[in-house]
Formats: sequence, C-alpha cells, structure tokens
Amino acid sequence: KNEVEQSPQNLTAQEGEFITINCSYSVGISALHWLQQHPGGGIVSLFMLSSGKKKHGRLIATINIQEKHSSLHITASHPRDSAVYICAPSYGGSQGNLIFGKGTKLSVKP
Amino acid sequence: NAGVTQTPKFQVLKTGQSMTLQCAQDMNHEYMSWYRQDPGMGLRLIHYSVGAGITDQGEVPNGYNVSRSTTEDFPLRLLSAAPSQTSVYFCASSYSLTGGTEAFFGQGTRLTVV
Repeated sequence: KNEVEQSPQNLTAQEGEFITINCSYSVGISALHWLQQHPGGGIVSLFMLSSGKKKHGRLIATINIQEKHSSLHITASHPRDSAVYICAPSYGGSQGNLIFGKGTKLSVKP
Repeated sequence: NAGVTQTPKFQVLKTGQSMTLQCAQDMNHEYMSWYRQDPGMGLRLIHYSVGAGITDQGEVPNGYNVSRSTTEDFPLRLLSAAPSQTSVYFCASSYSLTGGTEAFFGQGTRLTVV
C-alpha cells in the first residue's frame, strides 16, 4: 500500500523562524506536490517537483528520490503562512494520480 | 483566469436527498477528479476522469456517480445522501494523469447531511 507520512502534524512558530515540514512515502513516484490550505479555504499548489530543489519566494521544496523523502522549508515565517501544508506524491498509473498526506497544521505567532 | 470553479460552496441536505456538485475548468485539462476531505485523514479520491466520456472509480466511490460529457465539466452526484457523506469535497484538474504537471483545485464544497 502506498503510504504518505508527514511530520510534524502540528507546528507552532514565532514570526521570523525557519520552518521545516517533512514528508516520507513508501514507493517510487513520478512527482511530488506540496499544497497549501488556509482555514476554510481552497487548496493551492505550491510546488510540483520530481528531483532536486525548487524555490519560490520564501518557500523551498526539496526531494530525495532515493530516500523517498521531501521537505518543505519556509524562511522568515510570517503569520500569513499559517495554514495546513499537504504533501501529495504522484504515483501515476490508472488509479488516479495523487495520494495525500494528512497535512501539517502550521501556526505562526506574531 | 477562472481555473477550477466549484459550486456550491456550502450545502445542507437531508438524509435521502440527492444533489449534484458542479465542477468546471477552463484550462483544457484532460484529467479531472473529485476528492473528499475528512478530519484526521488525507484527501481521498472518489472518482476521476481522463477525458470526455471516460470515468473511473477511486478509493471511496460508493454513493457517488460522475459523468464527463465535455472536457470542461465533471459533476459529482450524490444519489441518496447519508450522514457519512458529510465532508468537504474538492474537485481538481491537471494536464495529465502521470502527475508531472501542476494540479489545480476548486474552492471546495462543505456538505452537511442531517
């Protein structure tokens, strides 16, 4: 069974802190998505990556295919970063293309 | 740029009622899917479609029907609502099935079945 584990489940940080959210998956993938969901809101795609590292503003995503592990980093965190961050590996194939982690709830205090 | 448009945003149903959740995308994406999101669980796939006229079941299809008559639209039908279907529903689309392209999500429908 394809499994996705995210850690931590909950994270509270002070504004300005460096944040790391981790994601591990059990089998080989074609790509991995990081998604953001604000309370009561929709889901927004932050990154889609299949190797290496991507950066967008204060957000950095890395993936190690051999170790089946990805991380999402937020530099200089801000209260507006408070949201649930979801890791979603893509296995492709005929049974739909995304398996979702349970999410990491981040709260950044001013 | 509309992206993925999902309606309604909120809905309350009585047990046994039927309804259709609408999903439309304007990006000419072939792949569309419906997920439900429940507390403490990751999003779970209900049904998906790889193009007009082609649909298939996901992880939790029971109690739901879908059709894909056009590339743009992918409605989800609840035939006889049950309290277990209380959830938040998301429609998503992407260019391809292989996962190597960005996924776009609707704003979600919060459904309560009483």
